[in-house]
Amino acid sequence: AQKVTQAQTEISVVEKEDVTLDCVYETRDTTYYLFWYKQPPSGELVFLIRRNSFDEQNEISGRYSWNFQKSTSSFNFTITASQVVDSAVYFCALSDHGSSNYQLIWGAGTKLIIKP
Amino acid sequence: EAGVAQSPRYKIIEKRQSVAFWCNPISGHATLYWYQQILGQGPKLLIQFQNNGVVDDSQLPKDRFSAERLKGVDSTLKIQPAKLEDSAVYLCASSLGAVGTDEKLFFGSGTQLSVL
Repeated sequence: AQKVTQAQTEISVVEKEDVTLDCVYETRDTTYYLFWYKQPPSGELVFLIRRNSFDEQNEISGRYSWNFQKSTSSFNFTITASQVVDSAVYFCALSDHGSSNYQLIWGAGTKLIIKP
Repeated sequence: EAGVAQSPRYKIIEKRQSVAFWCNPISGHATLYWYQQILGQGPKLLIQFQNNGVVDDSQLPKDRFSAERLKGVDSTLKIQPAKLEDSAVYLCASSLGAVGTDEKLFFGSGTQLSVL
């Protein structure tokens, strides 16, 4: 069965430190997509990235980078030189085409606290 | 571009009362989703619409929850009667394409429901 595990419930770092959020997934699909969303205290989930299963290139967007490794079924997210505004809950999600209807399978989220 | 609008932002009711939430997706978005997010968990899909048709409502507790998307635009989610375990944030999301296209979702700020 499809599953997404975010083992880190909460991470706390001091501003300017680098931090990595882990995401491990399980799927029997050969074609799938992985996503990261950010949920700040305002509550609105904000899309960060989408990666398909055939593209294992790492992605960098400013201070954000993502490491996709099919061999370990992981899609980890790193924030470089963290800032207070990065404080939020971050969710990893997996598209599920195995069921009769499409669904996103969500991890439980990692709460990231950046201290000034 | 206007985002996904939801109202009310907060709602407090007593158990066995009824409540309704409203969502207006981004203009032109074909697919609309209602999620339930319990504190400390990832979002759980309740129902998804494509235009004005229901694609998946397998996780909607149909004995008490109902939803409609008249004219394929805005949507209403209702709970009647509410139970204590319905206390959660109800998130509405929309996406441009059809279900299964793995597009990113745009979320509203949610309605925080407290059932006393």
